[in-house]
Amino acid sequence: GENVEQHPSTLSVQEGDSAVIKCTYSDSASNYFPWYKQELGKRPQLIIDIRSNVGEKKDQRIAVTLNKTAKHFSLHITETQPEDSAVYFCAASKDNNDMRFGAGTRLTVKP
Amino acid sequence: DTGVSQDPRHKITKRGQNVTFRCDPISEHNRLYWYRQTLGQGPEFLTYFQNEAQLEKSRLLSDRFSAERPKGSFSTLEIQRTEQGDSAMYLCASSLVKTGGYTFGSGTRLTVV
Repeated sequence: GENVEQHPSTLSVQEGDSAVIKCTYSDSASNYFPWYKQELGKRPQLIIDIRSNVGEKKDQRIAVTLNKTAKHFSLHITETQPEDSAVYFCAASKDNNDMRFGAGTRLTVKP
Repeated sequence: DTGVSQDPRHKITKRGQNVTFRCDPISEHNRLYWYRQTLGQGPEFLTYFQNEAQLEKSRLLSDRFSAERPKGSFSTLEIQRTEQGDSAMYLCASSLVKTGGYTFGSGTRLTVV
């Protein structure tokens, strides 16, 4: 089955700096890669996703890149703000089936 | 329809008791998923349904766990003979087949004492 690894496990940045979180996946058949943000005590919420037919997707300050050959994908957050502080999870699946999640990255944005 | 609903929000039970959780997905979503999340970890896949059919079960889902979605709408997850290791947040999510990400519910936090 799919195995997703995520790093770093914790990331601390100054407000306004960029943050990058990286994930690798094992199953070359995976074709859907979402990112979720989970604030303390709340449900995971989808923030951006990418499919295997594109290499990059951007939504305002958030972007995701995908390298299918290397089987890794990354989340980039620019101009970070304190409200970006949360745990971020990457995930991978084939056709939106049983999605497998990384272990999470705790991002802290210091004002 | 305001999203995925889970009930109860919290459940404290004694070891050895049976518990049942309910999930009501977004009405037009035909897929429903159960995940378990422990502190500091990502959600772990347990099982998923497409309509009323249970399509896959994780090896994490021991024979003490059973899930149903009898009419292709709400789902229940039952844990029999609970153990302390079952303590976790149980998350339900729903989606449309092959499109979009999952919408998660707020979860049921189970504490086994």
